[in-house]
Amino acid sequence: GAGVSQSPSNKVTEKGKDVELRCDPISGHTALYWYRQRLGQGLEFLIYFQGNSAPDKSGLPSDRFSAERTGESVSTLTIQRTQQEDSAVYLCASTPRGGFGQPQHFGDGTRLSIL
Amino acid sequence: AQSVTQLGSHVSVSEGALVLLRCNYSSSVPPYLFWYVQYPNQGLQLLLKYTTGATLVKGINGFEAEFKKSETSFHLTKPSAHMSDAAEYFCAVSPMDSSYKLIFGSGTRLLVRP
Repeated sequence: GAGVSQSPSNKVTEKGKDVELRCDPISGHTALYWYRQRLGQGLEFLIYFQGNSAPDKSGLPSDRFSAERTGESVSTLTIQRTQQEDSAVYLCASTPRGGFGQPQHFGDGTRLSIL
Repeated sequence: AQSVTQLGSHVSVSEGALVLLRCNYSSSVPPYLFWYVQYPNQGLQLLLKYTTGATLVKGINGFEAEFKKSETSFHLTKPSAHMSDAAEYFCAVSPMDSSYKLIFGSGTRLLVRP
């Protein structure tokens, strides 16, 4: 597709359940980012993938959060044993390559609601 | 650690009036600077960015921003607001020590009154 695609667009689940969020970056983009956006707040960096390098997981808030990326394509963000504080919009972005100062292309996000 | 401060969580202007959205960053070394816009239920769209060179940066939709090193500021302006400008605006910096990360401000919601 032309842009970053995220699915599902909305997810409602019960506390304690696991959820999996998907991101398809722009074709050819080697760098991929996940962010969390809580209501009324800016974006918090979660994780960064660049090619075959080890991902930067420094932003993951707890060990309930994990992410994977297959090569330079799809990425999934998994949240285990969800808590109400996990409710947020999860945004994915990509850039043609890693490195300094590149504008990031964002998907429309997945709105996650934990009941 | 780097931080970005956006003064005013909400700014309200009349249609046709000047738009001024403020952004200050903390850094001893000028980082790369960005403004993004977010419309409801959408992701972020790049408005403009400052890397090096000219300190006045022009972006899309008539917006521009001026990098002032002495004030560590990167305020966003538009001479005449349109109703379609109503959205959330985020200032972000790309710190020199972890170049791929973006550090975002908390955002400013722009309201445009008819």
